[in-house]
Parts: sequence; structure tokens; C-alpha cells
Amino acid sequence: DQQVKQNSPSLSVQEGRISILNCDYTNSMFDYFLWYKKYPAEGPTFLISISSIKDKNEDGRFTVFLNKSAKHLSLHIVPSQPGDSAVYFCAASAGASGTYKYIFGTGTRLKVLA
Amino acid sequence: DAGVTQSPTHLIKTRGQHVTLRCSPISGHKSVSWYQQVLGQGPQFIFQYYEKEERGRGNFPDRFSARQFPNYSSELNVNALLLGDSALYLCASSLVSRRGGIYEQYFGPGTRLTVT
Repeated sequence: DQQVKQNSPSLSVQEGRISILNCDYTNSMFDYFLWYKKYPAEGPTFLISISSIKDKNEDGRFTVFLNKSAKHLSLHIVPSQPGDSAVYFCAASAGASGTYKYIFGTGTRLKVLA
Repeated sequence: DAGVTQSPTHLIKTRGQHVTLRCSPISGHKSVSWYQQVLGQGPQFIFQYYEKEERGRGNFPDRFSARQFPNYSSELNVNALLLGDSALYLCASSLVSRRGGIYEQYFGPGTRLTVT
């Protein structure tokens, strides 16, 4: 049972344009969501998070949007840069209930073309 | 400041053997979690430890065990290795809220385990 889904395995975007990565979840108990970036041979790197009490969080070129009614979140990268090419994972947890684990999606490979 | 460190980087074992993987968290982080990542998938939760106690366990067999030491470092042990245990094993550390929930986790580079 895949509670966190990233339905696009890959995405290609031109440098300078917007990259939009999507993530859907099924568990309504999830209240904390995160995006991680992963380069080959490295561990995932934390990018940005959002609590379910918000619908948007920005950090520089990265913005995460949360639509609780649709159980959907997205990561926007503007402008995209070649160094953003990596695999992006969304993750979710039911933090308010004091749980302890993240559920990860299967990842989307982003390629930013120069 | 040093990030999460893991050792060894790579490991090759034979079916039926035992393996121990090690993790040192970021200074000040008292929670350590272990994940398994196989090719093409996201990390799968194995364990979380906080204050030397197991606080959560994922859907893994009893061949998998872990512990946390007084300095908050951790070990993951896998007995009777199977070919399917070949994966990248990730350790992550985090701060913990008063209610026991965790904040963002910071991952180490992982240990690549190959079982032949």
C-alpha cells in the first residue's frame, strides 16, 4: 500500500524555467510533509518542509504547496538550474500524533537542460 | 559541523552471513532512524531510536535489529543475509519535539550492502 505517490518517474526542464514536482498521499493523518533531493552516491538532502496548518512555504527558489482537500503537494523550483538535476523524494509523517517515521514516495528524477 | 556519518561506505557479504552497520548522528540530535533503499524506490523505514529506546519499527523481519548507545550513535544488525537485503542503508538523525514527534531528518551518505 503506497501511501505516498510520485506518479512521474522523470521530468525534463529547460534551464531558467519552472520545475513542478508532484506528490499525492492517501493517509489523512499525515500532517508534516518534506521534500528531499538526492544525488547519486549521496544520502537524501533536506530541501523544504510544510506543516498541514499551512498551504504554502517558500525558501529561496523552492516553494512547496499543500492542498489538503486533494491530498496533494507540489514543489516548485524557479528558476531551475542544471545543479538541480537530481532525484526528488517527497515524504510525509503524522508528527502531531507523536509518530516517528517518514513515508517516502518513489522519487522523480529531474533533469535540467542547459 | 559534521553531518551524519556512516560506516562502512561499501560492504560485500555472502548469503547467510551477519552484518553490522554504524551511524553517528549530528551533534545534539538524539533520535536516529534507519532506512533501506533499493534501486528505483524511496527509502523504507526500518527503525527509530530515541534516548536509547526503540520508538518505532517498520515492516522488516526479526533478522533486522538495532541499538543506540549513550552517545546517541547507533548500529543496525542484519542476520542470515539474503540476496534481497542488497540495498543502500541510510541513517538519519533529527531533533525531537516535546510530544515525541520528529522534525526534519538529516541523512548520512549511506552504506551500500551487496549480498552475493
